[in-house]
Amino acid sequence: QVQLMQSGAEVKKPGASVKVSCKASGYTFTGYFMHWVRQAPGQGLEWMGWINPNNDGTHYAQKFQGRVTMTRDPSISTAYMELSRLRSDDTAVYYCARDLLSTGSGGPGYWGQGTLVTVSS
Amino acid sequence: QSALTQPASVSGSPGQSITISCTGTSSDVGGYNFVSWYQQHPGKVPKLRIYEVSNRPSGVPDRFSGSKSGNTASLTISGLQAEDEADYYCNSYTSSSTWVFGGGTKLTVL
Repeated sequence: QVQLMQSGAEVKKPGASVKVSCKASGYTFTGYFMHWVRQAPGQGLEWMGWINPNNDGTHYAQKFQGRVTMTRDPSISTAYMELSRLRSDDTAVYYCARDLLSTGSGGPGYWGQGTLVTVSS
Repeated sequence: QSALTQPASVSGSPGQSITISCTGTSSDVGGYNFVSWYQQHPGKVPKLRIYEVSNRPSGVPDRFSGSKSGNTASLTISGLQAEDEADYYCNSYTSSSTWVFGGGTKLTVL
């Protein structure tokens, strides 16, 4: 079965960077896009971007352009999301989520457990 | 890319049907049949309920259905049950090769 295991909670200071990992299992890692979604406390879901693990192609939401970098290592079936120049309003749970379909048209279908990133001085 | 527009809240009694709307533009909802819907209970991970406007993933009850007209997509839940009380989010592919979520709708089962 599809499983996505994310790295543990992080506490960062404003201005720092954070890198969250997402290890996939139960399917062919390079066959499906990986989305990254975040949710601030008490707020809604916010799509950040996605990566094609087959060719490293990425698309980011305009809001995060210049601050987010999504990468992958197919040899260990792991995707990464790095967010730089952190601010207090980046405090949120960050999710990786595999697209439901190999075509990339299904949207986030299988979700990791989430990683809480807290930004505080 | 602006968030898709959803009502902040909807409510219904057990056994009734409710519909949640999701309004975008011709650059997202109206331009592609790539709209998905998510259910999220408090403190839990979101769950996919509908994909590609009207398709249900395996295991999702047929009480959940989706549709689209123009720039507005809709999620209908029939035979409302107490366990359906949750937050619901729509999500659409966009002309920028990105995706965008709606602001979310809180469903209350009276």
